[in-house]
Amino acid sequence: SAVISQKPSRDICQRGTSLTIQCQVDSQVTMMFWYRQQPGQSLTLIATANQGSEATYESGFVIDKFPISRPNLTFSTLTVSNMSPEDSSIYLCSVTEVRTSRGDTQYFGPGTRLTVL
Amino acid sequence: QQQVKQSPQSLIVQKGGISIINCAYENTAFDYFPWYQQFPGKGPALLIAIRPDVSEKKEGRFTISFNKSAKQFSLHIMDSQPGDSATYFCAASTAQGNLIFGKGTKLSVKP
Repeated sequence: SAVISQKPSRDICQRGTSLTIQCQVDSQVTMMFWYRQQPGQSLTLIATANQGSEATYESGFVIDKFPISRPNLTFSTLTVSNMSPEDSSIYLCSVTEVRTSRGDTQYFGPGTRLTVL
Repeated sequence: QQQVKQSPQSLIVQKGGISIINCAYENTAFDYFPWYQQFPGKGPALLIAIRPDVSEKKEGRFTISFNKSAKQFSLHIMDSQPGDSATYFCAASTAQGNLIFGKGTKLSVKP
């Protein structure tokens, strides 16, 4: 499976600031996704990162708060804007590989643990 | 209808025992059912997955049992080990849709 790295692995940020999280994959992938996992909770899909076009956001998530870029097949960024303590979560990048005939076999990165004070 | 209901929320098993985690769904269009294992501080790792054309899939000590008529599927961990202690998530998707995750089961295997 693809090897996925995320930067930073963790960060502590002040309220009102923004943080950009990077996701890098070692092979070309078809789909890239961003999830949020609040402490002790399940995974919630934020958006699908589309190469060269605007991301597709799930209900409850908006581009102004979570701008996403995907300039190529192996890299994406998620920005958490104007942060509040409620944004404290683990943010996870996931991908599906080109070789998979369907887009549902997803592999996850190690996550970025964000704490907002 | 898009929900995947997972139980139990937590599970304690003795070393060598069988751990069983259950999931249920409503959407009959779901046709892919993976299980993920997550250790603290790590991302979820794909453990095993099944499609509804089979009723059971086994990989080592891990087995998925699938009951299409009941719309239920379960993960069985045989000979559970302390190293299996983690949070397990079931999920489901359609070919066109995104993965829908259950709420997770925290498994503790006691030595």
